[in-house]
Amino acid sequence: AQSVAQPEDQVNVAEGNPLTVKCTYSVSGNPYLFWYVQYPNRGLQFLLKYITGDNLVKGSYGFEAEFNKSQTSFHLKKPSALVSDSALYFCAVSSYGNNRLAFGKGNQVVVIP
Amino acid sequence: DSGVTQTPKHLITATGQRVTLRCSPRSGDLSVYWYQQSLDQGLQFLIHYYNGEERAKGNILERFSAQQFPDLHSELNLSSLELGDSALYFCASSVANPGGFTDTQYFGPGTRLTVL
Repeated sequence: AQSVAQPEDQVNVAEGNPLTVKCTYSVSGNPYLFWYVQYPNRGLQFLLKYITGDNLVKGSYGFEAEFNKSQTSFHLKKPSALVSDSALYFCAVSSYGNNRLAFGKGNQVVVIP
Repeated sequence: DSGVTQTPKHLITATGQRVTLRCSPRSGDLSVYWYQQSLDQGLQFLIHYYNGEERAKGNILERFSAQQFPDLHSELNLSSLELGDSALYFCASSVANPGGFTDTQYFGPGTRLTVL
C-alpha cells in the first residue's frame, strides 16, 4: 500500500518569506513523488515530480522540492512566497508499475501580505 | 489549461438517480484516470483505463462504473446515487503505459456532483 502524510492543515507565511510544505510518504519499492496545487473551484495543476536522479527537483512558478530517501520525505519549498501562492497543495506518491496516485489530505497555504 | 476537458461542470440530482460524467483526455494521452474528492475522504483514486481497457481499480463502489471509448474519451457512470456521493469528480490523463514508470497525470477542471 502507498500513502502520504501532510502533517499540517494550514501553513501561514508572510509575503516574501520562505515557504515550506511538508510531505512524508510510505511505499513499497522506489517512490515516484508529485506535487499539485489546487486553486478555488479549479482542477489540480501539476507543479513538479521526482522519478529518479537529483534529489532537488525544480518545478513551475519558482517551486522546488527535495527528495530525502532516509527520511521518506518530499518537502515543497519556495524561497520567497507571493500572495498568489495562496492555495491548496497536494503531495502524491506512486510506484513502478502502479500508476494510481495516492494523495495526502492537502495543505492550505495562506500567504499574508 | 491542462488540455483535459470534463463535462458537465456542475450536476445537481436527487437520491436514487443515475448520472454520467464525461472526460476527454489530452491529445495523444492513452491513459485516463478518475478520482473523487470529498471533504471526508480527500482525493481517492477510483479507476484507470488505458487505450480502452480497464487497468486498475481503487475505492470504486459497485454502483459506479466507467468505460473508455475508441476515441479515448471516458465516461464515469454513477447509479443509485446517495447523499454521500456528493463530491468533486476529477478526470486525469497521461501518456503512461501501465506497468512502467508513472508519468505525469494532468487533471481536468472536475465535475461537482450534488445529490439532494
